[in-house]
Amino acid sequence: NAGVMQNPRHLVRRRGQEARLRCSPMKGHSHVYWYRQLPEEGLKFMVYLQKENIIDESGMPKERFSAEFPKEGPSILRIQQVVRGDSAAYFCASSPSPGNQPQHFGDGTRLSIL
Amino acid sequence: QQQVKQSPQSLIVQKGGISIINCAYENTAFDYFPWYQQFPGKGPALLIAIRPDVSEKKEGRFTISFNKSAKQFSLHIMDSQPGDSATYFCAAGGSNYKLTFGKGTLLTVNP
Repeated sequence: NAGVMQNPRHLVRRRGQEARLRCSPMKGHSHVYWYRQLPEEGLKFMVYLQKENIIDESGMPKERFSAEFPKEGPSILRIQQVVRGDSAAYFCASSPSPGNQPQHFGDGTRLSIL
Repeated sequence: QQQVKQSPQSLIVQKGGISIINCAYENTAFDYFPWYQQFPGKGPALLIAIRPDVSEKKEGRFTISFNKSAKQFSLHIMDSQPGDSATYFCAAGGSNYKLTFGKGTLLTVNP
């Protein structure tokens, strides 16, 4: 499967725990974007990363959320001290270059907070 | 502020009919307009995209119509099939590479 791979597909956490979401971009893609989808809503941009660099994190909440895309390995979206309002589907997309290039999405991680 | 407005929220079409979904945007800096199809439990899949230098783009049964002066664009699905039943999202992007999405349209195609 050469598509964008996200894991886990489903993640359940209790309030106050940490959630780590992983994203492996398509082969040959070095640009990763994270979006959040709430029920009955469209996707909202969170952060854009290239290898080892955060390019734009204007959509990320100021606290508890962080993202990285290391030289080796998948991109990680980390949510510390989760709260009920963090329950959502988190999607990762990748593209071969920045700008208006097609962004291809993974199947997401459904995060549920108990 | 919702920068991309999508309508209708839901749509029911008979098999063989034409499905039409409309979007309007506000930011004139947008210059890339993709449509995504999403099935339950899956991620959005790119269907078709258009740039403002053309007024229409067709791929198979899917057509995007674009009206730059009105800042509107629409998706037409010809000969709609039950397998087309899904949620459709329009989006808009500019030089800042972010995609701004509409809220989605739930399409149901009855057999």
